[in-house]
Order: sequence, then structure tokens, then C-alpha cells
Amino acid sequence: SAVISQKPSRDICQRGTSLTIQCQVDSQVTMMFWYRQQPGQSLTLIATANQGSEATYESGFVIDKFPISRQNLTFSTLTVSNMSPEDSSIYLCSRDGHIGYRASGRGVMSEQFFGPGTRLTVL
Amino acid sequence: QKEVEQNSGPLSVPEGAIASLNCTYSDRGSQSFFWYRQYSGKSPELIMSIYSNGDKEDGRFTAQLNKASQYVSLLIRDSQPSDSATYLCAVSRLSGGGADGLTFGKGTHLIIQP
Repeated sequence: SAVISQKPSRDICQRGTSLTIQCQVDSQVTMMFWYRQQPGQSLTLIATANQGSEATYESGFVIDKFPISRQNLTFSTLTVSNMSPEDSSIYLCSRDGHIGYRASGRGVMSEQFFGPGTRLTVL
Repeated sequence: QKEVEQNSGPLSVPEGAIASLNCTYSDRGSQSFFWYRQYSGKSPELIMSIYSNGDKEDGRFTAQLNKASQYVSLLIRDSQPSDSATYLCAVSRLSGGGADGLTFGKGTHLIIQP
């Protein structure tokens, strides 16, 4: 398992403003991830925050709207910019945890653990 | 486009019975498979991970993977009311498993009836 914290846990924001969400993990990791969970929906990957390089964004998500910083091996931030009511969601960060190597010798086995989430409401 | 499909339910199972949750995925290159449990208002909690064909058991939970059929399932034995939650199936394409962004299904809402 993992200990992951996020701040703030929830916020109510006005249209057109920006909010920065912080994520702190309990051990040094190369990869951290940011997801969005819209009301009543499943999780959608926003981007991968790799220490030492620019974040990699998924289709439909752009850096201008969701700038991500990776300050060090245990900390990352996601900013939701120029917010609209459609941005009302839960935003979750996650990190991976290496658990071993595949029997085939090709690749690792790794699991992903999630923070408690930030519940954002945009008015 | 990577897709993960689950029956949204609700799936209602009597207490003590076996709950069977199913998931299919479209990307044949998928390498790693995960089941998460999510209680209302909480973040997903990892239940099981499975990386090769066959069964993997952990306590009351058994994950089954059939890559040829692109099918993964989760069995919960001796279901308890505390198992009532939404169960999310997630897949990863890279051999790094969780060290890769996950694609999630929409989840199956499971209700265990006392």
C-alpha cells in the first residue's frame, strides 16, 4: 500500500479562476499520475508526471488547461486553469509501487495507489 | 482507442454467496490488470492485480485472466455487506504494470443483501 496525501480535500471555486492541487507521496517515485473522476463516472487519466521531464498528457487534456509540476520525487501539483462548471470533478493523484518482476523476465510488476482525491466544485 | 467494458449493475448478491464481476478489454497489447474497490465518496482501493493467464487468489478474492478472450473477472466468496461498493476494472498496456497510466472501466455497483 502507500500513504498519499492531497491538498485541498475539497474546494468551491468561481468560474474563470484557477486552483492548484498538491500531492505528496510517502516514498520517492519516478512516476506520478493525475486522474479525473467526473460525477457518476469512472477515472480518466489526465497526465503522467515523470520526474525530470515534461508531463505527458492524454488525448483531450492540454498543458494550458492542466499544467503539472513535478517538484521532486515525492511531490507534484496539478493546476486546473480558467475553470468552468464542467471542471467540477474529483481529481486524484496516484503513484506506482514496484512489487517484483515478471516470470517471463520481461518487464516489472507494479501496482498503483491513489490519494484521497480533491473534490472540486466550480460555480 | 483503448476500452474497458464492465456491466454497470447494480449486481445484487445475497450475503454469503459468491459475487462474480466481469470485465472485457479491447487492447490486445494490455499486459497488467487490476481490480479496485471504491466506496461512495472515497478513492479507489486496490483489491487485486493479475499479470498472467489463470487464477490468482487472495483471501476471499480470486482474479481470473484470459488474454485470448480479453477477459478478466473477480470472484468474491462469502460475500459480506461490507463488500457493497463499486468495483473498477483497470488495465495497463505497458509491461511496467502500475508504472503506467491505467485505463478504467465504468465500474460495477455491487450490493450485498443481508
